[in-house]
Amino acid sequence: GEDVEQSLFLSVREGDSSVINCTYTDSSSTYLYWYKQEPGAGLQLLTYIFSNMDMKQDQRLTVLLNKKDKHLSLRIADTQTGDSAIYFCAERYGGSQGNLIFGKGTKLSVKP
Amino acid sequence: AAGVIQSPRHLIKEKRETATLKCYPIPRHDTVYWYQQGPGQDPQFLISFYEKMQSDKGSIPDRFSAQQFSDYHSELNMSSLELGDSALYFCASRKTGTSYNYGYTFGSGTRLTVV
Repeated sequence: GEDVEQSLFLSVREGDSSVINCTYTDSSSTYLYWYKQEPGAGLQLLTYIFSNMDMKQDQRLTVLLNKKDKHLSLRIADTQTGDSAIYFCAERYGGSQGNLIFGKGTKLSVKP
Repeated sequence: AAGVIQSPRHLIKEKRETATLKCYPIPRHDTVYWYQQGPGQDPQFLISFYEKMQSDKGSIPDRFSAQQFSDYHSELNMSSLELGDSALYFCASRKTGTSYNYGYTFGSGTRLTVV
């Protein structure tokens, strides 16, 4: 079946850059997403990238996509303590009305 | 801007009871998705509806059923509740069928605790 994998933990210092990595299996995925979840809260869409793009930048966020290796990364520049959360990578599976398949999530801890 | 509304926010039920969770999608969104997120887990897809018809089915137990009504709100009905059903249940909505990719917008979730 389809699978999305992420490393479970990442710890950085405030002001540093954070890079969260993700690999996926469905080569036909057209859109890939990054969601942020704070403790006890819902899923907040951070950004997404279309499969014909290599990179997308949105303020402090940079998404890199290596379609050949099915590898997606999210870089957060100048990481702040408020960025501490769980970050989920997700791929859209099943076409236009398809559902999202999530990775296990990466818990980002930002130390002051 | 209007968001996805879920109710109730919290629900406590006893084993073998039934529960109904409600989801009100963003206006003009035509697709609704239900997800279950267990403690420390990633969200798992349960079921989806497109224009009030079931679109896709994931890991939804037979004890659960769902439907989407004429006003596009959706309800997830859960019967014979088990302790393992304790989780955060998310609804997401989306507008499909256009060239622009609309992201999946999630509600704040319903936290179900089965005791």
